[in-house]
Amino acid sequence: QLQLQESGPGLVKPSETLSLTCTVSGGSISSSSYYWGWIRQPPGKGLEWIGSIYYSGSTYYNPSLKSRVTISVDTSKNQFSLKLSSVTAADTAVYYCARSLFYIVGATKNWFDPWGQGTLVTVSS
Amino acid sequence: QSVLTQPPSVSAAPGQKVTISCSGSSSNIGNNYVSWYQQLPGTAPKLLIYDNNKRPSGIPDRFSGSKSGTSATLGITGLQTGDEADYYCGTWDSSLSGVFGGGTKLTVL
Repeated sequence: QLQLQESGPGLVKPSETLSLTCTVSGGSISSSSYYWGWIRQPPGKGLEWIGSIYYSGSTYYNPSLKSRVTISVDTSKNQFSLKLSSVTAADTAVYYCARSLFYIVGATKNWFDPWGQGTLVTVSS
Repeated sequence: QSVLTQPPSVSAAPGQKVTISCSGSSSNIGNNYVSWYQQLPGTAPKLLIYDNNKRPSGIPDRFSGSKSGTSATLGITGLQTGDEADYYCGTWDSSLSGVFGGGTKLTVL
């Protein structure tokens, strides 16, 4: 049974870089057909896709966050990571990692399953 | 403001049926597959429907999905109190971005 677990600091100061890692267990992050994604949810608000990465390193980022986001993968550790720079209070959210079926052939498929439990990151001095 | 539009809330009595709409455009729903997620209070979202109308293993057939043009619909029959949750639609957009609806809170009266 595939499981994902987010880890990282729960408090980040404004203007600094938020760093999170997602550890995948019960399966290989190098399996074909799947991307690995980050999604966030501000308190009391909806979901926002941040970006996704393939085990080869190919990435897609949300255009609204692209200038501040870096997603990387470490296949030897079965992990992928998120870095979000120059954070502000607006970046306070629960951050989820998830496996993504992402397939562009004509109509694009982009769904997420399973999800990690999520980790709350607060941006505050 | 979300790219995909969902009603903020819907409600129905136990045992009844409810539908949740998700409206988009030709840039997203109109040309790509839709997925639906259930988020129970205090938990992570869970995939309910993928590829417009397919259910993952373990999801009861009380849940169904459909798509027509630039809109999609999630249907839930035989409502149970345990179905009270937030529901989100998601798809891909031609701006090369994953997008979600704003979410719909389902209340089972």
